[in-house]
Amino acid sequence: GQNIDQPTEMTATEGAIVQINCTYQTSGFNGLFWYQQHAGEAPTFLSYNVLDGLEEKGRFSSFLSRSKGYSYLLLKELQMKDSASYLCAVRDHQAGTALIFGKGTTLSVSS
Amino acid sequence: DVKVTQSSRYLVKRTGEKVFLECVQDMDHENMFWYRQDPGLGLRLIYFSYDVKMKEKGDIPEGYSVSREKKERFSLILESASTNQTSMYLCASSPTGFEVHEQYFGPGTRLTVT
Repeated sequence: GQNIDQPTEMTATEGAIVQINCTYQTSGFNGLFWYQQHAGEAPTFLSYNVLDGLEEKGRFSSFLSRSKGYSYLLLKELQMKDSASYLCAVRDHQAGTALIFGKGTTLSVSS
Repeated sequence: DVKVTQSSRYLVKRTGEKVFLECVQDMDHENMFWYRQDPGLGLRLIYFSYDVKMKEKGDIPEGYSVSREKKERFSLILESASTNQTSMYLCASSPTGFEVHEQYFGPGTRLTVT
């Protein structure tokens, strides 16, 4: 089966750096996605990792270690607008293009 | 820009009613998905489709069916709505291929069954 774990809630202050971890178990790993979802809105795509290492995109970076079944999303120079839920999702060969989502991490950024 | 639209943002139905949730995408994507999102449970896959008239069960298909008669439209059907189907329903689409292919989500339909 598949299992994805991430912390339920995190808090941070403006200007800080925060790391949101995600661990997963899947038999046919075929990529890991991070999405951002503001309250009452649809999820929007942030990043994708399929090979080990770090992918950087502006203030956001995502890291993957396939051998450890581990990823993290790193948010730098936090802004109030970064307050949102962050969803880790895994694609598995057996499920084709479907994604299996974790329960999400709600990040609260305070001034 | 990819656009995924859903027929209603808010819907209130009575127990036992047949409910249709419609989703339309305008980017000629092969794959379409229906999820429900509940507090503490996250996004859970109900059904998905990788081509017209094709469908695959997700993790929680019980009580639901789907229809994909045209490439751009994917419908979720609650044959006899029950109160435990009160939830936020999200539709998504993605293309097929060997590249990244993230899913693009619609705005969601908040369904309340009374």
